[in-house]
Amino acid sequence: EIVLTQSPGTLSLSPGERATLSCRASQSVGGSYLAWYQQKPGQAPRLLIYGASSRATGIPDRFSGSGSGTDFTLTISRLEPEDFAVYYCQQYGSSPWTFGQGTKVEIK
Amino acid sequence: QITLKESGPTLVKPTQTLTLTCTFSGFSLSSSGVGVSWIRQPPGKALEWLALIYWDDDKRYSPSLNSRLTITKDTSKNQVVLTMTNMDPRDTATYYCAHSDWGVAAGLDYWGQGTLVTVSS
Repeated sequence: EIVLTQSPGTLSLSPGERATLSCRASQSVGGSYLAWYQQKPGQAPRLLIYGASSRATGIPDRFSGSGSGTDFTLTISRLEPEDFAVYYCQQYGSSPWTFGQGTKVEIK
Repeated sequence: QITLKESGPTLVKPTQTLTLTCTFSGFSLSSSGVGVSWIRQPPGKALEWLALIYWDDDKRYSPSLNSRLTITKDTSKNQVVLTMTNMDPRDTATYYCAHSDWGVAAGLDYWGQGTLVTVSS
């Protein structure tokens, strides 16, 4: 089973700042099948990035993903007020699929 | 458009069996590459992937819960059912179902709204 470790646990930033979230896998993620999700309180997760770097439909271009192998990054270039939320990475390259423990992006 | 909705009991007693149904529209679970997963999230905690069923009836389970889970599909009704035996208070969580399609390889691209299940006597 691939274990995903996200860092930091919490990121305190101001609107307009750049956010960099990390996701490290315990072994290589096959096919770079790594996704990022955003979750706001009381809502289901929303797919942001798939295949490590492809934006899902309707996702603003301030969100970008990068990485391969065991190290992946989600970058939000300029934080908007609606971007303050919890972000999860997830690998779907091998079974069982697994999620990271999440990074909370909060307003500083 | 693709939609999914979870249904089932909101309260179950310890040791009982939980049965959840995911009813979907906008796709067919008989189309090659398509799958439906179940994911849960205890209050204030992280997401946990539970199980996945594919169009060809291939099934995958979380190793830590494998002995307690069964996932099935009814293609004619556009439903996927998850059963979890021997429920415990630690299984209290919001349970989600979600769509995936290897034709797009986009992970879990559509999610249901989730249903909160509380385990308590």
